Amino acid sequence: DIQMTQSPSSLSASVGDRVTITCRASQSIRSYLNWYQQKPGKAPKLLIRAASTLQSGVPLRFSGSGSGTDFTLTISSLQPEDFATYYCQQSYTTPRTFGPGTKVDIK
Amino acid sequence: EVQLVDSGGGLVQPGGSLRLSCAASGFTLSCCWMSWVRQAPGKGLEWVAAMKQDGTEEFYVDSVKGRFTIARDNAKNSLYLQMNSLRAEDTAVYYCTREMAYGDSFDYWGQGTLVTVSS
Repeated sequence: DIQMTQSPSSLSASVGDRVTITCRASQSIRSYLNWYQQKPGKAPKLLIRAASTLQSGVPLRFSGSGSGTDFTLTISSLQPEDFATYYCQQSYTTPRTFGPGTKVDIK
Repeated sequence: EVQLVDSGGGLVQPGGSLRLSCAASGFTLSCCWMSWVRQAPGKGLEWVAAMKQDGTEEFYVDSVKGRFTIARDNAKNSLYLQMNSLRAEDTAVYYCTREMAYGDSFDYWGQGTLVTVSS
């Protein structure tokens, strides 16, 4: 199985900050990497697919990059509604696997 | 508008069974791979099972193999998860998700249904 790791596991940031979350796969997954945002009590929401493609309706302050084993999610200017937990997920093979999540909260 | 509505969760004793349902609307279920993803209380996301558009292929996470069965009825636009021999560690919110093509992302999610396995 492909293991996914994320760093940091949590971070505190202020509105307007630039935030970067890193995701690493245990083997190459090419660009089969997706990012989700989850708020408490809600289903996850797709933000970025195929490593760098912004899902329709997602604000342009979100961006993704990387390929192979190393990926990043960047929020260029953190907004109040962005405080949430972020998960990466590989769709290269089954079992599909998720990273452990990165919780972004208010400093 | 694409919608997935999960149902069927509840409290069940260890060793018991439960069948989850996912009603799809706003699209034709036969378009897509469909999966179940779960989330234990306070924990991260875990993919559970997936089924191909025509039902000819299915995959499971090791921890549920032989106990859970994914099924679909494209005519009814519905996805199912039959869960047998339930264990305490199966306690989670279960989400139905859509994957437009194999290798794609989970672009739509149900609202989730809570399964609690406890005596």
